[in-house]
Amino acid sequence: KNEVEQSPQNLTAQEGEFITINCSYSVGISALHWLQQHPGGGIVSLFMLSSGKKKHGRLIATINIQEKHSSLHITASHPRDSAVYICAGLGGSNYKLTFGKGTLLTVNP
Amino acid sequence: DGGITQSPKYLFRKEGQNVTLSCEQNLNHDAMYWYRQDPGQGLRLIYYSQIVNDFQKGDIAEGYSVSREKKESFPLTVTSAQKNPTAFYLCASMAGYSYNEQFFGPGTRLTVL
Repeated sequence: KNEVEQSPQNLTAQEGEFITINCSYSVGISALHWLQQHPGGGIVSLFMLSSGKKKHGRLIATINIQEKHSSLHITASHPRDSAVYICAGLGGSNYKLTFGKGTLLTVNP
Repeated sequence: DGGITQSPKYLFRKEGQNVTLSCEQNLNHDAMYWYRQDPGQGLRLIYYSQIVNDFQKGDIAEGYSVSREKKESFPLTVTSAQKNPTAFYLCASMAGYSYNEQFFGPGTRLTVL
């Protein structure tokens, strides 16, 4: 059974701090999807990666295939980054996503 | 603008009534998915469809039904058999059959009174 574990569950930071959210996954997952969910509930895709590193603005996602671990980093955090960040593993023949429980990030001004 | 629409955003129903949640996409995506989100839990897959006129049960399909008569539409019916239907429901779609990112709709929050 595919599993995805995220940490921490909750994270509070001051504006400008460097943020790291971690995700560990089980065998059978071939790619990792990082998602952002704002208080209204809608979900936005941030990254999808199966190897290496991707960067978009202040967001960086890395994945280590051997260790089955991925991290999402936010540089120079801002209050508008406050949201729930979710990692989801993609695997299997039907391309199902297995979701972590999410990390609630609060960035204070 | 291409995207996924779900309507309505908030839905209230009495216990024992069936209710249908709408999901429409104009991204020309083949695959569509329905997820349920409960507080403190990760999203869970209810049903998915990889092609028109075909769909498969996900991890928590009991008490739900779907149809996929058109590529752009994948409605979800929450039946009276669903024991705890109050939740946030998200629809998603994905292009093709390889590892592509999924795009999500804005969600429908269903409250059963």
